[in-house]
Amino acid sequence: DIQMTQSPSFLSASVGERVTLSCRASQNINKYLDWYQQKLGEAPKLLIYNTNNLHTGIPSRFSGSGSGTDYTLTISSLQPEDVATYFCLQRNSWYTFGAGTKLELK
Amino acid sequence: QIQLVQSGPELKKPGESLKISCKASGYTFTDYAMQWVKQAPGKGLQYMGWINTQTGKPTYADDFKERFVFSLETSASTAYLQINNLKNEDTATYFCAKDLYYFDYWGQGVMVTVSS
Repeated sequence: DIQMTQSPSFLSASVGERVTLSCRASQNINKYLDWYQQKLGEAPKLLIYNTNNLHTGIPSRFSGSGSGTDYTLTISSLQPEDVATYFCLQRNSWYTFGAGTKLELK
Repeated sequence: QIQLVQSGPELKKPGESLKISCKASGYTFTDYAMQWVKQAPGKGLQYMGWINTQTGKPTYADDFKERFVFSLETSASTAYLQINNLKNEDTATYFCAKDLYYFDYWGQGVMVTVSS
């Protein structure tokens, strides 16, 4: 089974700051990596699919990159509404979610 | 617009069964598989499996092969998750999600509480 390790587990950042979240797979996942945002009490929402494709309606301050085993979600300028937990999901071999990164405002 | 609307919260006793619904609208139900995801209180997301909405064939993750049943009512564009012989560790929120390879739309989740 493929394991997904997200880092950091918690992140505190200021409004306007550039934020980078990471997700590492235990083996090559061929860019089959998606990012989801989950706000408190809500369902997850798709942000990025296949590493770097922005889902419909998602602000352009969100972007994704990576290859092989290492993937990154970047928020170019953090906004208050971005406070949430972010999960990655690999779909290369079955499905595995990362444990999440909780993003808070400093 | 695409929507997945799930049934309401459930409070059950250990050993009982329940059936959660997920009603889809805004797209052709049988064009996309339906995925199921569990989230225990304060925890991350756990993948449960999926159901082929054209054939009705379910596929379960290893942890969900024993007491969990995915089913469909295609005429009503609805997917179901049944959990039999409920255990305390089934206490969680259960989400359905439309499958376009990635999970592009999610239901609002059903909070299930199992307690004696």
